[in-house]
Amino acid sequence: EMQLVESGGGVVQPGRSLRLSCAASGFTFENHAMHWVRQAPGKGLEWVSGLTWNSVFIAYADSVKGRFTVSRDNAKNSLYLQMDSLRPEDTALYYCVKTFGDRTFDVWGQGTLVTVSA
Amino acid sequence: QSALTQPPSASGSPGQSVTISCTGTSDDFGTYNYVSWYQHHPGKGPKLLIYGVNKRPSGVPSRFSGSKSGNTASLTVSGLQAEDEADYYCSSYADSRNFVFGSGTKVTVL
Repeated sequence: EMQLVESGGGVVQPGRSLRLSCAASGFTFENHAMHWVRQAPGKGLEWVSGLTWNSVFIAYADSVKGRFTVSRDNAKNSLYLQMDSLRPEDTALYYCVKTFGDRTFDVWGQGTLVTVSA
Repeated sequence: QSALTQPPSASGSPGQSVTISCTGTSDDFGTYNYVSWYQHHPGKGPKLLIYGVNKRPSGVPSRFSGSKSGNTASLTVSGLQAEDEADYYCSSYADSRNFVFGSGTKVTVL
């Protein structure tokens, strides 16, 4: 069974940093582009960032560009999101997502909650 | 990167059909047909229902169908069932590896 398990969420003060991790299992991780998608409380889904299987192509939403850094370790079947200069509006449930054909999000984790508050 | 526009809510009685629209610009959809639909129950990760405008992954019932005309994509749920009550989101691959989601539609089964 394909599975994604996020970790690393928590409560952090504005301006501080947090690193999210995602452990993948049940599929060949190195063959697939991976992404992060978030959902703020009471809001809809928002694409955050993604990268290709070999990390050659990386993209970010305008709302996080310059503050967040996505990376992956194919040897460890893991995806990461380094979040710096956090803002209250970054408060959200962050999902790790696998792609199918690089254009479709086909497997989602359960999410890890990030709360940015003084 | 504005969200695609969906109606906030939709409803229907068991057995009826409901159609959800997803409207964007030509920049949102481009010349691609990479429109997907997701079902999201609270407390769970979203579930892929439709990809490539009208394709269903294995295991998704045939009563879920998708279409697209111009800059509007649609999801139709036929033969509504109680378990279909959830939030539904459309998504499109825009360009340069960017993606955009719809604003979300809450479907209520009356």
